[in-house]
Amino acid sequence: ELKVEQNPLFLSMQEGKNYTIYCNYSTTSDRLYWYRQDPGKSLESLFVLLSNGAVKQEGRLMASLDTKARLSTLHITAAVHDLSATYFCAAASFIQGAQKLVFGQGTRLTINP
Amino acid sequence: NAGVMQNPRHLVRRRGQEARLRCSPMKGHSHVYWYRQLPEEGLKFMVYLQKENIIDESGMPKERFSAEFPKEGPSILRIQQVVRGDSAAYFCASSPWNNQPQHFGDGTRLSIL
Repeated sequence: ELKVEQNPLFLSMQEGKNYTIYCNYSTTSDRLYWYRQDPGKSLESLFVLLSNGAVKQEGRLMASLDTKARLSTLHITAAVHDLSATYFCAAASFIQGAQKLVFGQGTRLTINP
Repeated sequence: NAGVMQNPRHLVRRRGQEARLRCSPMKGHSHVYWYRQLPEEGLKFMVYLQKENIIDESGMPKERFSAEFPKEGPSILRIQQVVRGDSAAYFCASSPWNNQPQHFGDGTRLSIL
């Protein structure tokens, strides 16, 4: 059974600093997603990572995937207040032809001025 | 192109009543997924449907919960005889094919009094 774990679960950081959120998954997965969720809102898709060594960047966020280690990271560079949100990773599990997303617990990121 | 539409956005029910949550997928999407998010947790898969078929309902509680996606009209998630523990945000996602990224709706926040 595919399980996904994120750490840390809570992260408070100052503007301008760098940090990394880690996402471990337990069994082989074909793809890894990162989402952002603001309070009371839906999930905004940030990245889809499809293959080993994949790296994607958008603004101050960069995501990478190591399928051998079953690890994905979301790196935040020079954080700004607007990035405060909860970030989820999700691994895709294909069973009976259905792509189910298995989500991590989420990392609640607070960026202080 | 309208996104995934869910209604209502907020639903309040008393214990023992029925809750009906609706989801209209994006135009051209025939695959629908329902997820539940308990407070402070990640999303958990409930059910995957195609038109008129339930493909995978392994995440659905065995009793009181049912889902359908009729030939015409939205997908419906139905919860009978609601209990306090059913209070959660219920998200619907859709995709054009099974292995494509899922697009999420804004969710229905269900509160049980």
